Amino acid sequence: DAGVIQSPRHEVTEMGQEVTLRCKPISGHNSLFWYRQTMMRGLELLIYFNNNVPIDDSGMPEDRFSAKMPNASFSTLKIQPSEPRDSAVYFCASSRDSSPLHFGNGTRLTVT
Amino acid sequence: DQQVKQNSPSLSVQEGRISILNCDYTNSMFDYFLWYKKYPAEGPTFLISISSIKDKNEDGRFTVFLNKSAKHLSLHIVPSQPGDSAVYFCAAVDGSGNTGKLIFGQGTTLQVKP
Repeated sequence: DAGVIQSPRHEVTEMGQEVTLRCKPISGHNSLFWYRQTMMRGLELLIYFNNNVPIDDSGMPEDRFSAKMPNASFSTLKIQPSEPRDSAVYFCASSRDSSPLHFGNGTRLTVT
Repeated sequence: DQQVKQNSPSLSVQEGRISILNCDYTNSMFDYFLWYKKYPAEGPTFLISISSIKDKNEDGRFTVFLNKSAKHLSLHIVPSQPGDSAVYFCAAVDGSGNTGKLIFGQGTTLQVKP
């Protein structure tokens, strides 16, 4: 079991640039979640997919954020344009039905 | 307004002793709770959970207690080991029944001293 795989592990970019974070969920899991961790707000849910369909994106902070899941084995979270306040650790997690979430190791994003 | 609170940012315990991590919540609609453990540079890892129909769940050295009337839960680790040193997050399912839609506390950093 390779676990949830996220890339890149670290991303440093300048304000205004587009950032794309990637996630490969565990094979066989039918739900995928994007969480963000910041000092101020802790861990918060951004969006989740079920069977590749976005179900709840109410946690997405602004229209600058978008997420896609073109197939069962891949998802992206895109920020365009990025801002310094987007600096955080972004976690992807997956689960099967009602099982507990399995988290990836996160992408640490720094926007300067 | 934080719906899940872990009021102790840190806890230090001697190896072999009991570690007790506390968590309070405000929303009486929460009916399922989980504890996750996180090491530096890794994602959170599921540890143990409890449904609101129970007041205790045990898994090896880890026991979670739930007091619904007080809206309080605690995680007991006995005996504590140095490898338990990590950040522990309490989380509540948001009321939707979806165990992936979690509301997390701010975390408690546990240090177990040899």
